Amino acid sequence: QVQLVESGGGVVHTGESLRLSCAASGFTFSGRGIHWVRQAPGKGLEWVAFIRSDGSNEHYADSVKGRFAISRDNSKRMLYLQMNSLRLEDTAVYFCASSPPGYFDYWGQGTLATVSS
Amino acid sequence: QSALTQPASVSGSPGQSITISCTGTSSDVGNYNYVSWYQQYPGKAPKLMIYDVNKRPSGVSSRFSGSKSGNTASLTISGLQAEDEADYYCCSSTGTFTYVFGTGTKVTVL
Repeated sequence: QVQLVESGGGVVHTGESLRLSCAASGFTFSGRGIHWVRQAPGKGLEWVAFIRSDGSNEHYADSVKGRFAISRDNSKRMLYLQMNSLRLEDTAVYFCASSPPGYFDYWGQGTLATVSS
Repeated sequence: QSALTQPASVSGSPGQSITISCTGTSSDVGNYNYVSWYQQYPGKAPKLMIYDVNKRPSGVSSRFSGSKSGNTASLTISGLQAEDEADYYCCSSTGTFTYVFGTGTKVTVL
């Protein structure tokens, strides 16, 4: 069955960096666009970033543009999110989600990134 | 891009029908038929319930239905059950591969 498993979360200080990973299995990873979506504690969902199936195109929310970078390695079936210059407001559970055009069909369980001052 | 507007909470008795609204603008909900809805239990990942405004994925109960009129999309849950108590989020495309979520609605079964 389809599985997405995030890892790499932890506690960092403001201004520091963190790299999240998402391991995919159970579907043709190289044929799917993948997103990162985050959820601050007690808050709603926020779309963060997208990368096309072949890695040729990326899109970012304004709140992370210039600080975060999404990438993928199709040979390893892995998705990444490099988060730099972290702010307190980046504290959230980060989900990876696979995406046919228009929606998110499969989600991982999430990994928590905490930014402290 | 501002979050789509949803009521903070909606409640109903078992067996009743409830409707959750999701109001956006002509730049998102009003411009694309890529509106989807997600159910989320506390501490869990969201689950896709409706996509492309009114389509149900395999395995999702027919009690869930979606619609859209202008800049507002809606999710209706008919025959409300205790297991429907959860948070619900709408989502709309805002352009090529970019999205915005709703503010979220907590559904309570009385």
